[in-house]
Amino acid sequence: SAVISQKPSRDICQRGTSLTIQCQVDSQVTMMFWYRQQPGQSLTLIATANQGSEATYESGFVIDKFPISRPNLTFSTLTVSNMSPEDSSIYLCSVDNAGGSGELFFGEGSRLTVL
Amino acid sequence: DQQVKQNSPSLSVQEGRISILNCDYTNSMFDYFLWYKKYPAEGPTFLISISSIKDKNEDGRFTVFLNKSAKHLSLHIVPSQPGDSAVYFCAARDSNYQLIWGAGTKLIIKP
Repeated sequence: SAVISQKPSRDICQRGTSLTIQCQVDSQVTMMFWYRQQPGQSLTLIATANQGSEATYESGFVIDKFPISRPNLTFSTLTVSNMSPEDSSIYLCSVDNAGGSGELFFGEGSRLTVL
Repeated sequence: DQQVKQNSPSLSVQEGRISILNCDYTNSMFDYFLWYKKYPAEGPTFLISISSIKDKNEDGRFTVFLNKSAKHLSLHIVPSQPGDSAVYFCAARDSNYQLIWGAGTKLIIKP
């Protein structure tokens, strides 16, 4: 299994500011996934980050709002731009186990509160 | 349109008894179903999965049952232990290899 570290674990942000979340994996992985979990909701995939190419965004998520970097096979960042209170969520980084059955390993999450 | 539904937001079970968590889905093309467990301030942890060609998978105290005709799966935990108190998410893999998640069920194990 992969060990995934996320920073920051939590933050309180002001409306209109941007925050970058970092995700470090202890092994090289092809794809990294960024999820959002809004209060009381299920996990929603924001985008898939591939090394060496643009991230692939899901419906409802755009690069201007959630720019993603993937400089190498063990690291990715997600920026939440121009934040509003609706962006208050837990943001989770994950990787798959390449075992074919869809299991994902998750970081501990970054809980953002936007005032 | 919720493709994966966990209709019980919470469930309370006595320690030592069986916990049964339920999940319904609408897409018959899902090929894998997975259960994850999440403690507060931690990311979800994979628990157990089942292929759509099987009807049961067991791992220690955890068993997942799949009823394809009813589009229903359940996770049985027996015996339930205090450390099992967590939020449990059901997820299903679609034809694009994406996981579709339920909203979660909070399991509380009473001593």
